[in-house]
Amino acid sequence: DAGITQSPRHKVTETGTPVTLRCHQTENHRYMYWYRQDPGHGLRLIHYSYGVKDTDKGEVSDGYSVSRSKTEDFLLTLESATSSQTSVYFCAIRGPSGAEQFFGPGTRLTVL
Amino acid sequence: SQQGEEDPQALSIQEGENATMNCSYKTSINNLQWYRQNSGRGLVHLILIRSNEREKHSGRLRVTLDTSKKSSSLLITASRAADTASYFCATDGGGSEKLVFGKGTKLTVNP
Repeated sequence: DAGITQSPRHKVTETGTPVTLRCHQTENHRYMYWYRQDPGHGLRLIHYSYGVKDTDKGEVSDGYSVSRSKTEDFLLTLESATSSQTSVYFCAIRGPSGAEQFFGPGTRLTVL
Repeated sequence: SQQGEEDPQALSIQEGENATMNCSYKTSINNLQWYRQNSGRGLVHLILIRSNEREKHSGRLRVTLDTSKKSSSLLITASRAADTASYFCATDGGGSEKLVFGKGTKLTVNP
């Protein structure tokens, strides 16, 4: 699992509440990514980071923000969760060869 | 929007048969990758093929790439029940920072 953990693994929350998902890596990789996976849509990039305090938007960034204050942690925040953000969220890091990505176990988020 | 599109969406075969999945993409690439996802788990990298390569092997996996047709295929030979999973292709769109994943092929291998 390339030393990637995600927390929480499952969360149920209500519409309008803030939610923060955490991705933690132990191998000092520079690049980290947040994806969401939905039936019929595959895996879509939300945000990614290329270093501490360096982040950029992905394909589906609206309604999400990220922060990376230290190399090992990449946080994804839903400021005000909506039902459309019910999904499985995956964190990934870019491997040492600079091409392949390694994924965490995922967080299943349900917004009621 | 998705750059890679897998075909078929679902495939069901018997153990011992070969499984072939196809991926089409839209723009130029540096490399194309294939990933596997078992139910409820994260994606696992299987194989990478660079744009100047036409074929690559890894164990029971064979990947081909045709850049003129912007397509790739993944062949799993002598399939096993443990190969049951979803398979995704991913392309880098000519850059290296981001990958764009297709929607996947769901493979079921029946014992």
